[in-house]
Amino acid sequence: SYVLTQPPSVSVAPGQTARITCGGNNIGSKSVHWYQQKPGQAPVLVVYDDSDRPSGIPERFSGSNSGNTATLTISRVEAGDEADYYCQVWDSSSDHQVFGGGTKLTVL
Amino acid sequence: EVQLVESGGGLVQPGGSLRLSCAASGFTFSSYWMSWVRQAPGKGLEWVANIKQDGSEKYYVDSVKGRFTISRDNAKNSLYLQMNSLRAEDTAVYYCARSLLAVTTLPLGYWGQGTLVTVSS
Repeated sequence: SYVLTQPPSVSVAPGQTARITCGGNNIGSKSVHWYQQKPGQAPVLVVYDDSDRPSGIPERFSGSNSGNTATLTISRVEAGDEADYYCQVWDSSSDHQVFGGGTKLTVL
Repeated sequence: EVQLVESGGGLVQPGGSLRLSCAASGFTFSSYWMSWVRQAPGKGLEWVANIKQDGSEKYYVDSVKGRFTISRDNAKNSLYLQMNSLRAEDTAVYYCARSLLAVTTLPLGYWGQGTLVTVSS
């Protein structure tokens, strides 16, 4: 089955740029979606189809996808961005949704 | 406003059954793929199952195949998850989620608040 690999944690100072990676075999050929989840809350879609943003999501959130790595970039990080972030794809070979293991973003 | 409200969670013994429901409102329910996603305590997100608009296609994670059944009633704007032969490892918060766009199953653009299922003796 298809596996998505994320770093368990990323730390960044306020105002800096956070980059969260999502690795998968030839992931560049898939559409990658990113979710933010704060403690005790349901996930929220922040980037879809590699780099599109749903309405209401700040432009500070952006995404890219190429080769074996997709990246969620959060610019000018704020304290309120502290959360768990998950990448997701649809694996057409198995007809399964697949989530990465999640990355905890800590704002120092 | 899109709303998804799950219900039916609770404490159940191993081997028991539970039926989760998700009441949808604020959109044309019959036009969207729907999914169930779960999250074990302190763990990450795990997709469980999804169902096409008319119920003609259903997909499951391997660990629940043969035990869980996803279904929907478009007349009642409701999504269901029938869970049988429950195991301790099924303990999780179960989320109902709707596709963002009508044409594809992903991404999941709207989520309910979740309902907790605890499997324990």
